[in-house]
Amino acid sequence: GAGVSQTPSNKVTEKGKYVELRCDPISGHTALYWYRQSLGQGPEFLIYFQGTGAADDSGLPNDRFFAVRPEGSVSTLKIQRTERGDSAVYLCASSPMGGGRNEQFFGPGTRLTVL
Amino acid sequence: QKEVEQDPGPLSVPEGAIVSLNCTYSNSAFQYFMWYRQYSRKGPELLMYTYSSGNKEDGRFTAQVDKSSKYISLFIRDSQPSDSATYLCAMTDTGNQFYFGTGTSLTVIP
Repeated sequence: GAGVSQTPSNKVTEKGKYVELRCDPISGHTALYWYRQSLGQGPEFLIYFQGTGAADDSGLPNDRFFAVRPEGSVSTLKIQRTERGDSAVYLCASSPMGGGRNEQFFGPGTRLTVL
Repeated sequence: QKEVEQDPGPLSVPEGAIVSLNCTYSNSAFQYFMWYRQYSRKGPELLMYTYSSGNKEDGRFTAQVDKSSKYISLFIRDSQPSDSATYLCAMTDTGNQFYFGTGTSLTVIP
């Protein structure tokens, strides 16, 4: 079956611009996670959705970052006033129910470059 | 201090060698432990999952968790060139936030 998909695969933008990154989880998965992975680092937790609501958004670095999942399926990560330090690969993962016992399935990521 | 520490390597071994990868952590509340494999420009894929302390074996892979020492390991037997990738450890307490190591880059030389 189809895995987690993320669009776009690459995004180049200029400092100060607004970007949206999209995640399509595996159908039926209620849990969805966003991570940021900088070069040479492991994924860094940003936010966790259970259904439509953000169950834990404590990883969002500041108020320029926001994420939504209005219908409990597709999620969008929104970054305002982008900075060069935002350049990274943004990974999305989905899980059947969330929690530590359930496997997370990762998408291929969106590579964001802020010039 | 980072929640999870992992030696980034790189690690280079000949084909057929036994590989040992390790992570240490500081939060005693962690109870779910995972190892992921990540190929270049791909998302991580789950290799092994362990709950609490103990060992788990799956084919050529063995995961060990020692909660008393806050130390986890992944062993790869009879390593193959196709095992060349970055290996990430990850852990969580409640399953809300997952904490990853920096990843260890492994190359298996034919």
